[in-house]
Amino acid sequence: GNSVTQMEGPVTLSEEAFLTINCTYTATGYPSLFWYVQYPGEGLQLLLKATKADDKGSNKGFEATYRKETTSFHLEKGSVQVSDSAVYFCASLRTGNQFYFGTGTSLTVIP
Amino acid sequence: NAGVTQTPKFQVLKTGQSMTLQCAQDMNHNSMYWYRQDPGMGLRLIYYSASEGTTDKGEVPNGYNVSRLNKREFSLRLESAAPSQTSVYFCASSETARGNTIYFGEGSWLTVV
Repeated sequence: GNSVTQMEGPVTLSEEAFLTINCTYTATGYPSLFWYVQYPGEGLQLLLKATKADDKGSNKGFEATYRKETTSFHLEKGSVQVSDSAVYFCASLRTGNQFYFGTGTSLTVIP
Repeated sequence: NAGVTQTPKFQVLKTGQSMTLQCAQDMNHNSMYWYRQDPGMGLRLIYYSASEGTTDKGEVPNGYNVSRLNKREFSLRLESAAPSQTSVYFCASSETARGNTIYFGEGSWLTVV
């Protein structure tokens, strides 16, 4: 079946630290992959996506590369800011319209 | 820039009461969804509607009903609320195609006492 597994949090980093949030997927075929971000009290917003193997999604300094060989889509940012504090969700979409979300990883960035 | 609009934003219910969460999208999307979000559980799909006139169960449909009133609107009904249904509910929509993004409403905080 289809599922997404992401690293558990919470994650606490100092400002300007390097961020990695791991995400792996299981699926038959090649799903599209997404990272969503949820700020406190808000709904989820698309952060970036990749639709095929070796694609790199990027936005606001965040990047993730679709790795077919490791079935992964890890989120990275070279230098986090306090404003990046949020919950991050990895998600997959195969053919059709069912999205599968990970359980979310809470990130807190301290000055 | 409305996107996905859901109401109400906050609601407190007594056990056994009924209520309907309303959702509308203005992006002409075919697919709409209802999720619930609970601590440590992430997002779980309650029901979805692939297109106007169709609805399907998701991962946690028990205790809920839905109606796809038209292409824009997709409502979620709790017939007899239970404390286990205390959660944050998100409506979402997407176009039905590979790689298309899902767009979320701002959430409805429901407490059942």
